[in-house]
Amino acid sequence: GNSVTQMEGPVTLSEEAFLTINCTYTATGYPSLFWYVQYPGEGLQLLLKATKADDKGSNKGFEATYRKETTSFHLEKGSVQVSDSAVYFCALSSASSTSGTYKYIFGTGTRLKVLA
Amino acid sequence: DAGITQSPRHKVTETGTPVTLRCHQTENHRYMYWYRQDPGHGLRLIHYSYGVKDTDKGEVSDGYSVSRSKTEDFLLTLESATSSQTSVYFCAISYTGTATDTQYFGPGTRLTVL
Repeated sequence: GNSVTQMEGPVTLSEEAFLTINCTYTATGYPSLFWYVQYPGEGLQLLLKATKADDKGSNKGFEATYRKETTSFHLEKGSVQVSDSAVYFCALSSASSTSGTYKYIFGTGTRLKVLA
Repeated sequence: DAGITQSPRHKVTETGTPVTLRCHQTENHRYMYWYRQDPGHGLRLIHYSYGVKDTDKGEVSDGYSVSRSKTEDFLLTLESATSSQTSVYFCAISYTGTATDTQYFGPGTRLTVL
């Protein structure tokens, strides 16, 4: 079945450091790929997405490229800030065999802590 | 912010009692989802709805039922709560339910079953 694997956290970085959070997936067909972020005490919100191979999603300085050949969608940011401290979830869309509705399959999340 | 509210936001209950969580949206989106979030598991889909009275099971549906009698409300019921259902529950909505569609999440309900 379809699945998403994320690197384990927590990841602790100093402010202005480079960030990479690894995400790989297993899927049939051509899923869309997403990164969601969850700040403390809040629900998830979309950070970026890519809908086909070689697409690059970007938002707020974060980037991720849909790599079909390596089945990866790694999240990167060149210079993290304390305000980036949150939990980051990688996800893919997967069609239901019964209703045809697309559902998300999430990774387990990676906690990022950025120190001033 | 997408107009999604969840109620209650926090609940403590005892094993064996029924519990209903409510998700309310003001966006008139057709698709609604219930997830649970647990450490080490990320978010897992419990049930979802693709229209009024149209629902389907997700990957962790045992012990849960849902109802959707109108577009704006999606109810999740634990018929007889167990300690394994202690979790944070999130509702989400989406407009098209397609592969590229963004899901918008509510603030969550923290449920503790003693």
